[in-house]
Amino acid sequence: AQSVTQLGSHVSVSEGALVLLRCNYSSSVPPYLFWYVQYPNQGLQLLLKYTSAATLVKGINGFEAEFKKSETSFHLTKPSAHMSDAAEYFCAVINTGRRALTFGSGTRLQVQP
Amino acid sequence: EPEVTQTPSHQVTQMGQEVILRCVPISNHLYFYWYRQILGQKVEFLVSFYNNEISEKSEIFDDQFSVERPDGSNFTLKIRSTKLEDSAMYFCASSDGTGWIGYTFGSGTRLTVV
Repeated sequence: AQSVTQLGSHVSVSEGALVLLRCNYSSSVPPYLFWYVQYPNQGLQLLLKYTSAATLVKGINGFEAEFKKSETSFHLTKPSAHMSDAAEYFCAVINTGRRALTFGSGTRLQVQP
Repeated sequence: EPEVTQTPSHQVTQMGQEVILRCVPISNHLYFYWYRQILGQKVEFLVSFYNNEISEKSEIFDDQFSVERPDGSNFTLKIRSTKLEDSAMYFCASSDGTGWIGYTFGSGTRLTVV
């Protein structure tokens, strides 16, 4: 069975500071991994995805994530936080041959001025 | 950029009533999905639909739920007899033939059962 664990339900950073949101996955087969962002009262927007090509994946809004098989991790980073980054972030996994995304419980990012 | 469109954005219904949530997936996509997010909780998979039949469903998707693609553009989720615990945000999604490329979500329908 596939699953993802997001460490830290709330993360608070100062504007301009590094953003690090953690995601660890569990999968019996090579996974595809995704990060989605959800702004208040809005839908899910894809930030980036790992699909077994490059292990360092660049996404929208300056975010990137690195797939580390040895650590079963797919942490999301951004060098410099902006106030507009305040949102809920979800890590998700899908196994090849399946169609359903399995989401983590989410991390709410606060950006302090 | 192509979008998945969901209507209505918010629906209030009385317990025991039937409700239909509507979605227009991206036109060249082949896989269609419904997900649910209860307030403050994670997003959960309900069902996937391909070639006019359910291809996968979760344990949440019991007999009170059904899906349909009544024409070439719409994809619907019906809840036969709503319960208070069905109150949630329901997301429709669609993806292309590989199943995950272009996996795109709609903005959701907030269902409130009173």
